[in-house]
Amino acid sequence: DIQMTQSPSSLSASVGDRVTITCRASQSISSYLNWYQQKPGKAPKLLIYAASSLQSGVPSRFSGSGSGTDFTLTISSLQPEDFATYYCQQSYSAGTFGPGTKVDIK
Amino acid sequence: QVQLQESGPGLVKPSETLSLTCTVSGGSISSYYWSWIRQPPGKGLEWIGYIYYSGSTNYNPSLKSRVTISVDTSKNQFSLKLSSVTAADTAVYYCAQDISAAGLVGWGQGTLVTVSS
Repeated sequence: DIQMTQSPSSLSASVGDRVTITCRASQSISSYLNWYQQKPGKAPKLLIYAASSLQSGVPSRFSGSGSGTDFTLTISSLQPEDFATYYCQQSYSAGTFGPGTKVDIK
Repeated sequence: QVQLQESGPGLVKPSETLSLTCTVSGGSISSYYWSWIRQPPGKGLEWIGYIYYSGSTNYNPSLKSRVTISVDTSKNQFSLKLSSVTAADTAVYYCAQDISAAGLVGWGQGTLVTVSS
């Protein structure tokens, strides 16, 4: 089974900050990595698919990079609506999610 | 973009079988993959499994012995059955449209299922 880890598990940031979240797979997953945003009481929303492709309608301040085992989600300038929990998910074999990274207000 | 809606009992007794249905509207279920994901209260997301419209399936190994996902293309629905439930299966259950390498693009609103006697 492929295991996913994320770091940090939580972070505090201010509006306008550049935020970076890291996701690591236990084995190579090529570019089969997706990122989701989830706000309390809501279903997750797809942000990035195939490691670096921006889902339609998602602001360009979100970007993804990486391949193999190490991946990064970057928010270039944090906005008030971006305070949420972010999950990575591998779609190489089954669909394991990472444990999540909660982004809250500093 | 399609819309998805979960339905089913909100309360299930321990040792019984949890059964949920996801109804797809605004598009045909006869393409792509269709997934179930769950989230225990206050915890992270857990992928349960998916079904292709043709009927082929792939399940989370940790749940495989208890999970069955099926599809009814005539009703544009797919379903989840989870047997021998315990309190650990209490969660919000989501259905989603799975575009394979392009991620889970559309989600239902989720339905809370509580396992309790």
